[in-house]
Amino acid sequence: KNQVEQSPQSLIILEGKNCTLQCNYTVSPFSNLRWYKQDTGRGPVSLTIMTFSENTKSNGRYTATLDADTKQSSLHITASQLSDSASYICVVSYQTGANNLFFGTGTRLTVIP
Amino acid sequence: EPEVTQTPSHQVTQMGQEVILRCVPISNHLYFYWYRQILGQKVEFLVSFYNNEISEKSEIFDDQFSVERPDGSNFTLKIRSTKLEDSAMYFCASNGDGYYGYTFGSGTRLTVV
Repeated sequence: KNQVEQSPQSLIILEGKNCTLQCNYTVSPFSNLRWYKQDTGRGPVSLTIMTFSENTKSNGRYTATLDADTKQSSLHITASQLSDSASYICVVSYQTGANNLFFGTGTRLTVIP
Repeated sequence: EPEVTQTPSHQVTQMGQEVILRCVPISNHLYFYWYRQILGQKVEFLVSFYNNEISEKSEIFDDQFSVERPDGSNFTLKIRSTKLEDSAMYFCASNGDGYYGYTFGSGTRLTVV
């Protein structure tokens, strides 16, 4: 069964600290993996997208890693800011089909001053 | 940066009523999608639309639901005879190549009372 699991479910960190969010997936055949940021009541906004041949990609203070062999990805946030408080969703794309996005349940990050 | 626009941002309707959720995808995109997210749960695929017809739909997308692209810019989701369990955030997304570049709208929060 194609699934995307994320951990932790929620995380609270102090402003300025780093954190790492985890994503494990069983989607096959694998096409690409995306990390989205979703502010409360808003739509998901793309942070990074990686294909199976890429093992790291950065977008400012966000760095995503991918291990296609173990089917794991992580999102590392450096020097967190209050505005980083949001849900971070791992989305894995299936190789074929119009419905080719499998969503994780997200990690709810809260950054406190 | 191009955006997917959804209206209204919030709609309250009585059970049994019909609602139409509206989306304006990015102008040169060809693939259109509706997703929903029940509060606290993961984003779920509803339907994809390409070349003026449904290309794929999920089990959720039953006869109660329909989609339409009435003109060159709008993409609508109609829910006939709404039920309490239809209460959710509904996200429209569009994609230029059917593959990488998904862009989500900010969503419509539907509340059925």
